[in-house]
Amino acid sequence: ETGVTQSPTHLIKTRGQQVTLRCSSQSGHNTVSWYQQALGQGPQFIFQYYREEENGRGNFPPRFSGLQFPNYSSELNVNALELDDSALYLCASSSPGQGEAGELFFGEGSRLTVL
Amino acid sequence: GQSLEQPSEVTAVEGAIVQINCTYQTSGFYGLSWYQQHDGGAPTFLSYNALDGLEETGRFSSFLSRSDSYGYLLLQELQMKDSASYFCARGTGGFKTIFGAGTRLFVKA
Repeated sequence: ETGVTQSPTHLIKTRGQQVTLRCSSQSGHNTVSWYQQALGQGPQFIFQYYREEENGRGNFPPRFSGLQFPNYSSELNVNALELDDSALYLCASSSPGQGEAGELFFGEGSRLTVL
Repeated sequence: GQSLEQPSEVTAVEGAIVQINCTYQTSGFYGLSWYQQHDGGAPTFLSYNALDGLEETGRFSSFLSRSDSYGYLLLQELQMKDSASYFCARGTGGFKTIFGAGTRLFVKA
């Protein structure tokens, strides 16, 4: 069974640039959620994708967008980067309904630094 | 509101028992889960409580009281490798899981 993988693991951008982060979900999981985790804080929900459609969104501006592909992998895109976007971005996969049972499977994350 | 409150830090000695508490706001509550995260690592699922009572998984147990809007994670026979951050998280009956700010556990020899 292949776990959740994310790329890149680390990246540095400057203000105003755009970034794309990628996630491959765990085998058999068709639901992907993205979280932002600032240093010393808990993960904050950005949005979730199910069957290639956005299934819900947290309190993040429209410059945070995403995609899910037919193989259930996903991308997170952030435009017009701001300094406060510096964080660990986590992807989590789950099966439908399993998310409500609490079990999210997280990748190791992509550490974004905005200068 | 849907926020969760947990202590920011807990320190305990190797071999001891530690309890990490979590209180939550009741709006749209659908169960409480716990995650462990080592520095630089991914959060990993530990346990889930949908109903009142105690769930036991090896050295870790989790408890929920819906009437008190309260839960806790109990770690027994503490080991140095248990030093990590622990997050309580709540389901919302929809698509998102809301996490607390985390409790950093320091295990001393």
